Formats: sequence, structure tokens, C-alpha cells
Amino acid sequence: GENVEQHPSTLSVQEGDSAVIKCTYSDSASNYFPWYKQELGKRPQLIIDIRSNVGEKKDQRIAVTLNKTAKHFSLHITETQPEDSAVYFCAASGSYQLTFGKGTKLSVIP
Amino acid sequence: ETGVTQTPRHLVMGMTNKKSLKCEQHLGHNAMYWYKQSAKKPLELMFVYSLEERVENNSVPSRFSPECPNSSHLFLHLHTLQPEDSALYLCASSQDWTSGSPGETQYFGPGTRLLVL
Repeated sequence: GENVEQHPSTLSVQEGDSAVIKCTYSDSASNYFPWYKQELGKRPQLIIDIRSNVGEKKDQRIAVTLNKTAKHFSLHITETQPEDSAVYFCAASGSYQLTFGKGTKLSVIP
Repeated sequence: ETGVTQTPRHLVMGMTNKKSLKCEQHLGHNAMYWYKQSAKKPLELMFVYSLEERVENNSVPSRFSPECPNSSHLFLHLHTLQPEDSALYLCASSQDWTSGSPGETQYFGPGTRLLVL
């Protein structure tokens, strides 16, 4: 089955700096890669996703890149703000089953 | 109410109790999921229903019993749980998928925080 590794497990950045979270996956058949943000005590919420026919996708301060050859994908957050503090999960899917990484706790220091 | 809702939001139960978790989606989706979220572990998929038929049961103990009476409602029946079953149980829904097509975005409910004493 699919295996998703996510790094780092914790990340602290100064407000205004960039944050990068990286994930690798094992199943070359995976073709859908969403990123979820989970604030303390709240549900995971989709923030951006990418499909295998695209190498990069941007949405304002958030971008995701995908390298299918190397089987890794990354989340980039620019100009971080305190409200970006949360746990971020990557996931990979070839069909209905999403396999999640263990999560990255991002802390943005004002 | 819009989106995916879950009740109850918090539940404390003894190991001999029987309880049920409820999930309802108002997004017009036809696939629903149960996940378990424990501290320091990835989200674990438990069950998947597509068009009210179960398509996945990820080696979940029989003390967890899912039920999907229609495409908008999903239940998780609990009985004789163990303390290690204490966790956040999340429901999610998505559009149905077709073989070979990319995955569909899953939308999560707020979860039920379960404590087994």
C-alpha cells in the first residue's frame, strides 16, 4: 500500500518568513495530492491540492510543487502570519483512499 | 447547516457501554469515510462507503460497526471499546470516484472526541 513520509514534524518561523513542508510517497500510481490545515480543536480543512498532470499550483501565499519522478511534493507558504500556525497534513491518493503523512506543526512567531 | 456535521462532539463511555456516532453531509456527495485521529499518529482510514456500499474496512476491530443508511448519513456503532480506542473520530465525504481517475477532495466534519474509561 501507499506510504507517505512528511518532514519536518515541527517548524518554527518568524512572521513574514517562508515555510516549506516536504512529503514523499511510495506508490507511483498515486495521482492526487491534497494538503490539509488543522487548527487546534478544529477539523482538517483543505488548503490546496495538486493532480499528477500539473507540476505546480499557487493560491495567493500558498503553493504546492510535485515531482512525480522523485515521488515527492512540497507545500510552500510565503509571508507567514500568526494565523498560519496549525498542523499541516499532506496526503496521497490513487483512488478513494487518502494516505496521510504524520503532520507538521507550524508555529509562526510574531 | 452546511458541510459535514457530526454528533456528539464529545463522548465519554465505559468499556461496557454501547454508543453511536452520527455523521451527516449536506454537500450532495455520495462517498463517506470514517477516520481515527490519535496523538502523534497519521490519520487512519477506518471505513469507506460509496453509494451506500462499504468498499473498505481497514482491519478495524469488530467492536466498531459502521452503518450507511443513505448517501447523506453515516453512523459508527461502538461497543465494548478499550481505553486505547480513545481518539478523535472524523467523518468525511466526497464525490464518488471512477476507476483510474484522480482522487476526489474529501471534506471533514468537526469530529467526535471520544474518551473510553
